[in-house]
Amino acid sequence: KAGVTQTPRYLIKTRGQQVTLSCSPISGHRSVSWYQQTPGQGLQFLFEYFSETQRNKGNFPGRFSGRQFSNSRSEMNVSTLELGDSALYLCASSLPKGGQNYGYTFGSGTRLTVV
Amino acid sequence: SQQGEEDPQALSIQEGENATMNCSYKTSINNLQWYRQNSGRGLVHLILIRSNEREKHSGRLRVTLDTSKKSSSLLITASRAADTASYFCATDLTSGSRLTFGEGTQLTVNP
Repeated sequence: KAGVTQTPRYLIKTRGQQVTLSCSPISGHRSVSWYQQTPGQGLQFLFEYFSETQRNKGNFPGRFSGRQFSNSRSEMNVSTLELGDSALYLCASSLPKGGQNYGYTFGSGTRLTVV
Repeated sequence: SQQGEEDPQALSIQEGENATMNCSYKTSINNLQWYRQNSGRGLVHLILIRSNEREKHSGRLRVTLDTSKKSSSLLITASRAADTASYFCATDLTSGSRLTFGEGTQLTVNP
């Protein structure tokens, strides 16, 4: 079966712009989580969505937001981009409680560069 | 802040040797997971060990968990050049639904 699909793979944006990243989970997975990976801060949890509801949120400013659609696809949005938002953004999906039993399946990520 | 710390930060070995990576964490956990990442790509789930388990095996991988010391280790036996990657431990806290990652160990296996 298809894995977790993230689009686009690469993105270059200018400071002050906004960006939307997309994640399609594995078919049947209803939980989608987002992570930011930077050389300085490592891998950090952004938020998790389940059945179109944000279930958990990390310690990020309000410029970072997300949503989940009825087909479980998820988008995250970053407004008023800053240079420090340059990162690899990873999406992970799992069955309900599947992450606690079997782990998470990650996509290949979206590499965002802010110039 | 990172829940876990991993050591070493970097490890270079010859093909055929064993590689051991350690992870320490700070709070109570539901489970601990290990992931591999190749050159800034996505993370690949390797193995999950629950808080009530002490050791788990999967192919050439062996994971141990010591909840009294809040530490875990990942052993890769008979390493191959293809094992070259960054390895991360991640804890799933008792509240579930999010992972807290360590800083990772960069493993280089020389042919």
